[in-house]
Amino acid sequence: DSGVTQTPKHLITATGQRVTLRCSPRSGDLSVYWYQQSLDQGLQFLIQYYNGEERAKGNILERFSAQQFPDLHSELNLSSLELGDSALYFCASSATISTDTQYFGPGTRLTVL
Amino acid sequence: GNSVTQMEGPVTLSEEAFLTINCTYTATGYPSLFWYVQYPGEGLQLLLKATKADDKGSNKGFEATYRKETTSFHLEKGSVQVSDSAVYFCALSAYSGGYQKVTFGTGTKLQVIP
Repeated sequence: DSGVTQTPKHLITATGQRVTLRCSPRSGDLSVYWYQQSLDQGLQFLIQYYNGEERAKGNILERFSAQQFPDLHSELNLSSLELGDSALYFCASSATISTDTQYFGPGTRLTVL
Repeated sequence: GNSVTQMEGPVTLSEEAFLTINCTYTATGYPSLFWYVQYPGEGLQLLLKATKADDKGSNKGFEATYRKETTSFHLEKGSVQVSDSAVYFCALSAYSGGYQKVTFGTGTKLQVIP
Protein backbone atom coordinates (compact mmCIF):
# COMPACT_ATOMS: atom_id res chain seq x y z
CA ASP A 1 0.00 0.00 0.00
CA SER A 2 1.59 3.26 -1.21
CA GLY A 3 -0.53 5.50 1.01
CA VAL A 4 -2.02 7.27 -2.02
CA THR A 5 -5.75 6.78 -2.40
CA GLN A 6 -7.90 7.33 -5.46
CA THR A 7 -11.64 7.29 -5.91
CA PRO A 8 -13.59 5.94 -7.59
CA LYS A 9 -11.91 2.71 -8.62
CA HIS A 10 -14.07 2.35 -11.72
CA LEU A 11 -16.14 4.86 -13.64
CA ILE A 12 -18.38 4.19 -16.62
CA THR A 13 -19.93 7.12 -18.42
CA ALA A 14 -21.13 8.29 -21.82
CA THR A 15 -19.54 10.49 -24.45
CA GLY A 16 -20.01 14.20 -23.83
CA GLN A 17 -20.24 13.80 -20.07
CA ARG A 18 -18.04 15.24 -17.34
CA VAL A 19 -16.39 13.32 -14.50
CA THR A 20 -14.22 14.12 -11.50
CA LEU A 21 -11.47 11.85 -10.23
CA ARG A 22 -10.17 12.30 -6.72
CA CYS A 23 -6.76 11.68 -5.20
CA SER A 24 -5.44 11.89 -1.66
CA PRO A 25 -1.66 11.96 -1.45
CA ARG A 26 0.48 10.25 1.15
CA SER A 27 0.48 12.02 4.47
CA GLY A 28 2.93 14.92 4.32
CA ASP A 29 3.48 14.82 0.56
CA LEU A 30 3.12 18.23 -1.08
CA SER A 31 3.28 17.28 -4.77
CA VAL A 32 0.55 15.51 -6.68
CA TYR A 33 0.89 14.23 -10.24
CA TRP A 34 -1.71 12.92 -12.65
CA TYR A 35 -0.97 10.34 -15.35
CA GLN A 36 -3.02 8.69 -18.05
CA GLN A 37 -2.26 5.11 -19.02
CA SER A 38 -3.72 3.73 -22.22
CA LEU A 39 -2.79 0.82 -24.47
CA ASP A 40 -1.82 2.99 -27.43
CA GLN A 41 -0.17 5.94 -25.62
CA GLY A 42 1.45 4.20 -22.68
CA LEU A 43 1.92 6.18 -19.47
CA GLN A 44 1.59 9.91 -20.11
CA PHE A 45 2.24 12.67 -17.61
CA LEU A 46 -0.66 15.10 -17.45
CA ILE A 47 -0.03 17.67 -14.73
CA GLN A 48 1.73 18.33 -11.42
CA TYR A 49 0.59 20.42 -8.47
CA TYR A 50 2.81 21.46 -5.62
CA ASN A 51 1.33 22.79 -2.41
CA GLY A 52 -1.78 24.02 -4.16
CA GLU A 53 -0.11 25.59 -7.19
CA GLU A 54 0.21 24.20 -10.69
CA ARG A 55 3.85 23.29 -11.20
CA ALA A 56 4.20 21.50 -14.51
CA LYS A 57 2.05 20.52 -17.44
CA GLY A 58 2.45 17.57 -19.73
CA ASN A 59 0.18 16.20 -22.40
CA ILE A 60 -3.03 17.43 -20.83
CA LEU A 61 -5.94 18.24 -23.12
CA GLU A 62 -7.79 21.53 -22.78
CA ARG A 63 -10.94 19.55 -21.88
CA PHE A 64 -9.11 18.33 -18.76
CA SER A 65 -8.32 20.40 -15.70
CA ALA A 66 -7.07 19.74 -12.22
CA GLN A 67 -6.69 21.45 -8.90
CA GLN A 68 -5.12 20.83 -5.52
CA PHE A 69 -6.99 21.91 -2.43
CA PRO A 70 -5.66 23.36 0.86
CA ASP A 71 -5.80 19.89 2.46
CA LEU A 72 -3.57 18.76 -0.47
CA HIS A 73 -6.03 16.38 -2.04
CA SER A 74 -6.42 16.80 -5.77
CA GLU A 75 -9.16 16.42 -8.33
CA LEU A 76 -8.88 15.80 -12.05
CA ASN A 77 -11.85 17.00 -14.07
CA LEU A 78 -12.48 15.50 -17.48
CA SER A 79 -15.18 17.09 -19.63
CA SER A 80 -16.78 16.57 -23.05
CA LEU A 81 -15.60 13.00 -22.81
CA GLU A 82 -14.72 11.06 -25.92
CA LEU A 83 -14.28 7.35 -26.49
CA GLY A 84 -10.53 7.86 -26.65
CA ASP A 85 -10.46 9.16 -23.08
CA SER A 86 -11.07 5.64 -21.82
CA ALA A 87 -7.95 4.80 -19.84
CA LEU A 88 -6.47 4.23 -16.42
CA TYR A 89 -5.81 7.49 -14.59
CA PHE A 90 -3.14 7.38 -11.92
CA CYS A 91 -2.35 9.86 -9.25
CA ALA A 92 1.08 9.93 -7.65
CA SER A 93 2.58 11.99 -4.87
CA SER A 94 6.02 12.98 -3.67
CA ALA A 95 7.25 14.72 -0.58
CA THR A 96 8.75 17.75 -2.29
CA ILE A 97 8.69 19.61 -5.57
CA SER A 98 11.24 17.11 -6.89
CA THR A 99 9.87 14.32 -9.04
CA ASP A 100 12.56 11.88 -7.96
CA THR A 101 10.54 9.43 -5.89
CA GLN A 102 6.84 9.20 -6.64
CA TYR A 103 4.29 6.98 -4.94
CA PHE A 104 1.42 5.85 -7.11
CA GLY A 105 -2.19 5.25 -6.23
CA PRO A 106 -4.15 2.22 -7.47
CA GLY A 107 -5.73 4.18 -10.33
CA THR A 108 -9.21 4.96 -11.60
CA ARG A 109 -10.36 3.02 -14.64
CA LEU A 110 -12.51 5.27 -16.83
CA THR A 111 -14.67 3.73 -19.52
CA VAL A 112 -16.44 6.06 -21.93
CA LEU A 113 -19.25 4.41 -23.88
CA GLY B 1 13.17 16.04 -25.73
CA ASN B 2 13.74 13.34 -23.16
CA SER B 3 12.88 9.76 -24.02
CA VAL B 4 13.17 6.22 -22.71
CA THR B 5 13.38 3.13 -24.87
CA GLN B 6 12.93 -0.29 -23.37
CA MET B 7 12.80 -3.71 -24.91
CA GLU B 8 9.53 -4.95 -26.30
CA GLY B 9 7.73 -7.65 -24.43
CA PRO B 10 6.35 -9.89 -23.44
CA VAL B 11 9.29 -11.71 -21.95
CA THR B 12 8.58 -15.26 -20.85
CA LEU B 13 11.04 -17.04 -18.56
CA SER B 14 11.09 -20.19 -16.53
CA GLU B 15 11.40 -19.90 -12.78
CA GLU B 16 15.01 -19.40 -11.62
CA ALA B 17 16.11 -18.08 -15.02
CA PHE B 18 18.27 -14.96 -15.37
CA LEU B 19 16.43 -11.78 -16.30
CA THR B 20 17.63 -8.78 -18.30
CA ILE B 21 15.33 -6.01 -19.47
CA ASN B 22 17.16 -3.43 -21.55
CA CYS B 23 16.58 0.28 -21.14
CA THR B 24 18.28 3.19 -22.86
CA TYR B 25 17.55 6.85 -22.51
CA THR B 26 18.00 10.23 -24.12
CA ALA B 27 18.12 13.27 -21.89
CA THR B 28 19.90 16.57 -21.48
CA GLY B 29 21.84 17.12 -18.31
CA TYR B 30 22.03 14.52 -15.57
CA PRO B 31 18.78 12.63 -15.16
CA SER B 32 17.82 10.33 -12.33
CA LEU B 33 16.84 6.85 -13.50
CA PHE B 34 14.19 4.52 -12.15
CA TRP B 35 12.58 1.14 -12.56
CA TYR B 36 8.94 0.84 -11.58
CA VAL B 37 6.90 -2.37 -11.41
CA GLN B 38 3.17 -2.71 -11.97
CA TYR B 39 1.45 -5.88 -10.77
CA PRO B 40 -1.91 -6.78 -12.33
CA GLY B 41 -4.68 -4.44 -11.23
CA GLU B 42 -2.36 -2.21 -9.22
CA GLY B 43 -0.55 1.09 -9.53
CA LEU B 44 3.16 1.48 -10.19
CA GLN B 45 5.62 0.82 -7.39
CA LEU B 46 9.14 2.15 -7.31
CA LEU B 47 11.49 -0.83 -7.60
CA LEU B 48 14.86 0.90 -7.60
CA LYS B 49 16.57 4.10 -8.61
CA ALA B 50 19.97 5.64 -9.33
CA THR B 51 20.69 9.32 -9.29
CA LYS B 52 24.18 9.61 -10.77
CA ALA B 53 26.54 7.87 -13.14
CA ASP B 54 27.89 4.47 -11.99
CA ASP B 55 25.35 4.27 -9.16
CA LYS B 56 23.78 0.85 -8.75
CA GLY B 57 20.19 0.65 -7.60
CA SER B 58 19.05 -2.60 -6.03
CA ASN B 59 15.96 -4.02 -4.36
CA LYS B 60 14.36 -7.47 -3.92
CA GLY B 61 17.17 -9.12 -5.90
CA PHE B 62 16.83 -6.72 -8.84
CA GLU B 63 19.73 -4.50 -9.86
CA ALA B 64 20.42 -1.80 -12.42
CA THR B 65 23.54 0.31 -12.99
CA TYR B 66 23.45 3.87 -14.32
CA ARG B 67 25.77 3.82 -17.35
CA LYS B 68 26.26 7.33 -18.68
CA GLU B 69 28.67 6.29 -21.43
CA THR B 70 26.07 3.97 -22.99
CA THR B 71 23.02 5.92 -21.70
CA SER B 72 21.62 2.70 -20.33
CA PHE B 73 19.96 1.39 -17.16
CA HIS B 74 19.35 -2.30 -17.75
CA LEU B 75 17.37 -4.25 -15.15
CA GLU B 76 18.74 -7.62 -14.05
CA LYS B 77 17.82 -10.38 -11.64
CA GLY B 78 19.74 -13.57 -11.15
CA SER B 79 16.85 -15.92 -10.46
CA VAL B 80 13.26 -14.91 -11.20
CA GLN B 81 10.20 -16.23 -9.38
CA VAL B 82 6.61 -16.62 -10.49
CA SER B 83 5.75 -13.71 -8.19
CA ASP B 84 7.96 -11.42 -10.33
CA SER B 85 5.42 -11.61 -13.15
CA ALA B 86 4.43 -8.00 -13.79
CA VAL B 87 5.01 -5.07 -16.13
CA TYR B 88 8.31 -3.24 -15.64
CA PHE B 89 8.73 0.42 -16.56
CA CYS B 90 12.03 2.22 -17.01
CA ALA B 91 11.81 5.96 -16.35
CA LEU B 92 13.91 9.07 -16.05
CA SER B 93 13.47 12.32 -14.21
CA ALA B 94 15.02 15.37 -15.82
CA TYR B 95 14.41 18.98 -16.62
CA SER B 96 12.44 19.65 -19.76
CA GLY B 97 10.93 22.97 -20.72
CA GLY B 98 11.98 24.57 -17.46
CA TYR B 99 10.61 22.04 -15.03
CA GLN B 100 11.45 18.58 -13.78
CA LYS B 101 9.40 15.84 -15.37
CA VAL B 102 9.30 12.04 -15.34
CA THR B 103 9.31 10.25 -18.68
CA PHE B 104 8.34 6.58 -18.79
CA GLY B 105 9.19 3.85 -21.23
CA THR B 106 6.42 1.78 -22.76
CA GLY B 107 6.77 -1.03 -20.24
CA THR B 108 7.93 -4.65 -20.60
CA LYS B 109 5.64 -7.43 -19.53
CA LEU B 110 7.40 -10.30 -17.75
CA GLN B 111 5.77 -13.67 -17.37
CA VAL B 112 7.52 -16.29 -15.25
CA ILE B 113 6.30 -19.85 -15.61
CA PRO B 114 6.85 -22.58 -12.99
